[in-house]
Amino acid sequence: GDSVTQMEGPVTLSEEAFLTINCTYTATGYPSLFWYVQYPGEGLQLLLKATKADDKGSNKGFEATYRKETTSFHLEKGSVQVSDSAVYFCALSPGGGADGLTFGKGTHLIIQP
Amino acid sequence: AAGVIQSPRHLIKEKRETATLKCYPIPRHDTVYWYQQGPGQDPQFLISFYEKMQSDKGSIPDRFSAQQFSDYHSELNMSSLELGDSALYFCASSFRLFNLGEQYFGPGTRLTVT
Repeated sequence: GDSVTQMEGPVTLSEEAFLTINCTYTATGYPSLFWYVQYPGEGLQLLLKATKADDKGSNKGFEATYRKETTSFHLEKGSVQVSDSAVYFCALSPGGGADGLTFGKGTHLIIQP
Repeated sequence: AAGVIQSPRHLIKEKRETATLKCYPIPRHDTVYWYQQGPGQDPQFLISFYEKMQSDKGSIPDRFSAQQFSDYHSELNMSSLELGDSALYFCASSFRLFNLGEQYFGPGTRLTVT
């Protein structure tokens, strides 16, 4: 079945550091890929998405590129802020419609001032 | 912009009791999804509905059932509650016609079973 693997956390960085959170996936066909962010005590917010190979999703300074050849969707940000501290989930949808999302285990990001 | 509404936000039940969670999707969204997130875990897909019909099924226990109503709101019914059912339950919604998988999540219902 489909699966998503992302780097274990917690990841601790200093403010203004460069961020990379790795995400790889296994799926048949052509899934859509997503990054969701969860702040403490809150629901999941869609951060960015990509629906086909070589698409780049971007939002709030975060970027991720859909790489079919490496089955990856790594999340990057050039300069992190304390307010970026949260749990980040990589997820895939096999084909849209009403399919459930498959999530990675989540990466807890801690940004220190 | 209007978001997904879930009620109640917190619920405490005893073992073997029943619970009903409600979800009101974003206006004009026709598809709802239910997820369960245990402490420190990733969300696990339970079930989805499109136009009041069950569409996809994940790891939903037989003790749980759900339905979508004509106004598109959905309810998750949980019976014979167990301690292990303590978790955050999220509802998400989407508009199927142009949907390539993105879902919008509500704030969740925190269920505690004692």
